[in-house]
Amino acid sequence: AQSVTQPDIHITVSEGASLELRCNYSYGATPYLFWYVQSPGQGLQLLLKYFSGDTLVQGIKGFEAEFKRSQSSFNLRKPSVHWSDAAEYFCAVGDNFNKFYFGSGTKLNVKP
Amino acid sequence: DVKVTQSSRYLVKRTGEKVFLECVQDMDHENMFWYRQDPGLGLRLIYFSYDVKMKEKGDIPEGYSVSREKKERFSLILESASTNQTSMYLCASSRTSATGELFFGEGSRLTVL
Repeated sequence: AQSVTQPDIHITVSEGASLELRCNYSYGATPYLFWYVQSPGQGLQLLLKYFSGDTLVQGIKGFEAEFKRSQSSFNLRKPSVHWSDAAEYFCAVGDNFNKFYFGSGTKLNVKP
Repeated sequence: DVKVTQSSRYLVKRTGEKVFLECVQDMDHENMFWYRQDPGLGLRLIYFSYDVKMKEKGDIPEGYSVSREKKERFSLILESASTNQTSMYLCASSRTSATGELFFGEGSRLTVL
């Protein structure tokens, strides 16, 4: 069965520090992978997506993610975090039938 | 600008009331979804629809029903609300393609007293 694991529930980083949010998935075929961000009280906004090709994908707001098939991972990174990045981040995998499976989310806190 | 609009951002209902959550998208998307979001549980799929008048159960359909009479509108119905249905409800839509991403509304926070 398809599943997505985000092992970190909460992460705190200092402003200007680098960030890596972990995501592991379980899916039998070629995965379609997504990262979404949710600001407080808002819906989810797409940060980036991976379907095929280059395993390092660039997204909005300076985020990038790397697909590693051997590790079943799709970790999200940002070289320098801004206070406005404080939010909850969700990793998701989509299947061939347009269904999506979400992880439980990682809340990011940014220290001044 | 593409948009998914949920009619109510905040609702307070009493146990046993019938509740309607409305969602409209203006992107001519074939697929529409209702998710429930609870702390620590992420997003759980309640129902989805691939076409008008079609619906499929998601992972947690119990206590919910849906209606899709028009392509742009997808309604979630709680026939008899219970306190354990207090949650954030998110509507989303997508195009039918292998790479179609989800577009989300801003959510409806329902409190059942």
